[in-house]
Amino acid sequence: AQKVTQAQTEISVVEKEDVTLDCVYETRDTTYYLFWYKQPPSGELVFLIRRNSFDEQNEISGRYSWNFQKSTSSFNFTITASQVVDSAVYFCALSEAGNAGNMLTFGGGTRLMVKP
Amino acid sequence: DTAVSQTPKYLVTQMGNDKSIKCEQNLGHDTMYWYKQDSKKFLKIMFSYNNKELIINETVPNRFSPKSPDKAHLNLHINSLELGDSAVYFCASSPMNTGELFFGEGSRLTVL
Repeated sequence: AQKVTQAQTEISVVEKEDVTLDCVYETRDTTYYLFWYKQPPSGELVFLIRRNSFDEQNEISGRYSWNFQKSTSSFNFTITASQVVDSAVYFCALSEAGNAGNMLTFGGGTRLMVKP
Repeated sequence: DTAVSQTPKYLVTQMGNDKSIKCEQNLGHDTMYWYKQDSKKFLKIMFSYNNKELIINETVPNRFSPKSPDKAHLNLHINSLELGDSAVYFCASSPMNTGELFFGEGSRLTVL
């Protein structure tokens, strides 16, 4: 069975600080996808990144970076020089390639509050 | 043009009523979903349809019935609404085998 754990339920930082959101996953499949979604206060779910299990290269997109480590089953997300607009709930998710219908299993989310 | 659109965005109703939420996607995707987000923000899959056929039906009461008239639409009908049904319901779609979901804006259902 697949499972995603985001141990940090809430994080509060001051603007311009760096912050890392942790994500640990469990799966028996060797082929799977990992995702991060952002849910700002307006409520929509915004796709940030997808990573497949065969690609352990870290990725950077502007102030966002992701560190995927299969050895520790982790897919952590770092925001550099955080801004107030980064305040949101962030979800990590897992999809096993073998599952019918591309079902996503979400972690419980981490609420990030960036204070000015 | 909105890629995945849901209506209504807000729905307030009394216990025992029947209500529907509609979802349409214009992305040409084969697979559509309903997810439920509870008050603690937990997101859980309810149903998945591929080309109008039910693929996933997680443990959801029979009072919830999805209907897919064509592959661009997946509606959710809820009978005999209960207080615990209050949540935000998200529709989503994805191309086959990519795992990437495109979500609608959500429909907030409040049962009084």
